[in-house]
Amino acid sequence: EAQVTQNPRYLITVTGKKLTVTCSQNMNHEYMSWYRQDPGLGLRQIYYSMNVEVTDKGDVPEGYKVSRKEKRNFPLILESPSPNQTSLYFCASSLSPGGGSYEQYFGPGTRLTVT
Amino acid sequence: GQNIDQPTEMTATEGAIVQINCTYQTSGFNGLFWYQQHAGEAPTFLSYNVLDGLEEKGRFSSFLSRSKGYSYLLLKELQMKDSASYLCAVRDRSGNTPLVFGKGTRLSVIA
Repeated sequence: EAQVTQNPRYLITVTGKKLTVTCSQNMNHEYMSWYRQDPGLGLRQIYYSMNVEVTDKGDVPEGYKVSRKEKRNFPLILESPSPNQTSLYFCASSLSPGGGSYEQYFGPGTRLTVT
Repeated sequence: GQNIDQPTEMTATEGAIVQINCTYQTSGFNGLFWYQQHAGEAPTFLSYNVLDGLEEKGRFSSFLSRSKGYSYLLLKELQMKDSASYLCAVRDRSGNTPLVFGKGTRLSVIA
């Protein structure tokens, strides 16, 4: 089944404890992206990647890191989480360039709470 | 800058028709998307418009006017399961580039 998977789905952690949220897609998509979603603010992009070893900052990159060593995986790293990073996080991927709408396919979400 | 506006909330009656509007001001334009998102779940793709006009897909239709920076999503024969947030998103550059999302419209369908 074509899908984007994220782990963990739920995480409660403490300030300063490094964590990684994994994202994997099995559709051979070149483009991958991370968003956070907060009430009243909508979806905001954190980082995106157009291809392996190519990553770019989105609108709210502070406090986050990403890597794209393989096409299928795009982990989100919080080196020192803080309470303002409590949010619902979505990973997304889309089709390779070549024409078409490139609609994004979203993972199921990771609800992170930092205390 | 980039700006996408949608109403925050709407309420409509089961069986009725509802139109959700979206206006955008972006540096460029290369397509507009509508996504549906149920509470706590992932957004799912509904429609894509890149040329002016109406795209119909079952009970859902989406319209685009590039000269006016305007789109709407039309939902017919509303069902209770259509209660969700509807997100408008614009791609402002050519190619497989990031989307700019609006804050979404929360639609409540009542009996």
